[in-house]
Amino acid sequence: QQQVKQSPQSLIVQKGGISIINCAYENTAFDYFPWYQQFPGKGPALLIAIRPDVSEKKEGRFTISFNKSAKQFSLHIMDSQPGDSATYFCAARGNAGGTSYGKLTFGQGTILTVHP
Amino acid sequence: KAGVTQTPRYLIKTRGQQVTLSCSPISGHRSVSWYQQTPGQGLQFLFEYFSETQRNKGNFPGRFSGRQFSNSRSEMNVSTLELGDSALYLCASSLSSSYGYTFGSGTRLTVV
Repeated sequence: QQQVKQSPQSLIVQKGGISIINCAYENTAFDYFPWYQQFPGKGPALLIAIRPDVSEKKEGRFTISFNKSAKQFSLHIMDSQPGDSATYFCAARGNAGGTSYGKLTFGQGTILTVHP
Repeated sequence: KAGVTQTPRYLIKTRGQQVTLSCSPISGHRSVSWYQQTPGQGLQFLFEYFSETQRNKGNFPGRFSGRQFSNSRSEMNVSTLELGDSALYLCASSLSSSYGYTFGSGTRLTVV
């Protein structure tokens, strides 16, 4: 029940295209869903995050879509650029008072390659 | 504003030894979490500290321990190292557990 399943494992997109990464969770006690971007040799960097009372959040070229009833959320990268080539992780955190509070449960990651 | 600082960046240890990793959170951040990252298991939660108290712990053996000091700096210790402990150990800090987490660049531990 603590898992977050992420797909696809790898994704190749042409420059200017849309990259879409999907995640699904089971634990209804999760209340915070961030996406992280990680470059080789670096730690994950927070990209964008959403809470379950919102269905969509957009920041620049990055958009999170959230479907509470389906327990799914996705990251859309518009106008993908070669500089976006990195590994992307979705994550979920438990709500206050729960056993998962303060703990991020991560998906397995998606390696995104954007070809020029 | 300085980010999360982890030291050392790289470490090579021998099986059976112990190791201590250090994390200095962003100034003002009171929550510090530790994660282990490996190609096979991905990012896994080790533990979280807030105001010197461990609030949550992941499914790791007792060889993995940590602590947080009054200035919010944190250390994690791994005793009796095993080859399987080779990983990137990441520290993340936050104002509190209600806010987003900022990760450091990690300590790459290799056990030989």
